[in-house]
Amino acid sequence: RKEVEQDPGPFNVPEGATVAFNCTYSNSASQSFFWYRQDCRKEPKLLMSVYSSGNEDGRFTAQLNRASQYISLLIRDSKLSDSATYLCVVNKANSGYALNFGKGTSLLVTP
Amino acid sequence: GAVVSQHPSWVICKSGTSVKIECRSLDFQATTMFWYRQFPKQSLMLMATSNEGSKATYEQGVEKDKFLINHASLTLSTLTVTSAHPEDSSFYICSATKTGEDSNQPQHFGDGTRLSIL
Repeated sequence: RKEVEQDPGPFNVPEGATVAFNCTYSNSASQSFFWYRQDCRKEPKLLMSVYSSGNEDGRFTAQLNRASQYISLLIRDSKLSDSATYLCVVNKANSGYALNFGKGTSLLVTP
Repeated sequence: GAVVSQHPSWVICKSGTSVKIECRSLDFQATTMFWYRQFPKQSLMLMATSNEGSKATYEQGVEKDKFLINHASLTLSTLTVTSAHPEDSSFYICSATKTGEDSNQPQHFGDGTRLSIL
């Protein structure tokens, strides 16, 4: 089983739509969780950290369910500029800072 | 703050050449840096953890004699792909953590190096 699993998509949604991405991780000892965004042929950029209580940053809401080892990202009022690949990222348990990346979920927002 | 510079951005070279990639933290000290590799349509995979002043820790399946890592200062780590072959063509990305920052803080990524071996 992969350490971080995501639905690869692609998700094609119209502008203004709400879209949700899911992610599961295999190691219950993981402590740090993030969503990154990666544009084509670019480095990943941090979108937001994910906290146990859930957190929101503008149109983006992240949720973490430790019992189910499940992370989600909700994007409201999608913009064309949201088109990218969204990476679910979890720290490698017992390795401190090293990260495990999901394969990414591809989002295309259309006019 | 927290800028990581990676150089070069693109490399195209012949099979058998050794290629050195630099990762610099420009405005902070980084005791630990990480090297990742991403093949097309795949996830970033951790290759090795680079620790200042000590040997790198390699992930399973990554040949340490093939991918030489040197972290001689708190702001610079280098990855040398020795005798590169076409199968080494990939997107190599480094990241750094600020010295003293805990693991809940996000890492700071370089822009990546696209390596193409002919």
